[in-house]
Amino acid sequence: GENVEQHPSTLSVQEGDSAVIKCTYSDSASNYFPWYKQELGKGPQLIIDIRSNVGEKKDQRIAVTLNKTAKHFSLHITETQPEDSAVYFCAARPYGNNRLAFGKGNQVVVIP
Amino acid sequence: DTGVSQDPRHKITKRGQNVTFRCDPISEHNRLYWYRQTLGQGPEFLTYFQNEAQLEKSRLLSDRFSAERPKGSFSTLEIQRTEQGDSAMYLCASSPDTTSNTEAFFGQGTRLTVV
Repeated sequence: GENVEQHPSTLSVQEGDSAVIKCTYSDSASNYFPWYKQELGKGPQLIIDIRSNVGEKKDQRIAVTLNKTAKHFSLHITETQPEDSAVYFCAARPYGNNRLAFGKGNQVVVIP
Repeated sequence: DTGVSQDPRHKITKRGQNVTFRCDPISEHNRLYWYRQTLGQGPEFLTYFQNEAQLEKSRLLSDRFSAERPKGSFSTLEIQRTEQGDSAMYLCASSPDTTSNTEAFFGQGTRLTVV
């Protein structure tokens, strides 16, 4: 099955700086890649996703890039704010499959 | 609130007891998923429904686990004879059936503690 890995496990950034989280996946048939933000005691919240027919997608301060050849995709958060502090999960889903395979998560800490 | 709703939010039970969780998906979402999340890990897929049909089950879903979605709307997840290893956050998600790649929206989860 699909195996998703995230790096680094913890990331601390100064408020206003950028944060980048990278994920790698194993199944070349995967073609849907969402990112979720999870705050303490809450469920994962979908923040952005990308499909394999595009290389980059942006939504305000958040962007995701996809490199299908290298089988990795990254989340970019610009102008970080304290409310961006959370655990971020990447996931991948092969075409025609109903299950998302998640990474272990990245703890992002934005230092005011 | 029109998001995915889960009940209860927290459940503490003694080992060996049965527990049942409920999930109400977003209205008109006919796909429903159950995931389990343990501390420091990402969610792991348990099972998937399309309308009332349970179409896929993970090997994580032992015989003590059963999920239903009798009318294609809300779903229940029951765990019989709970064990300490069942302690986790149980997450429900739903998505519309418009294309093969659709966004899944999660509820707030039910945190189960088996003592």
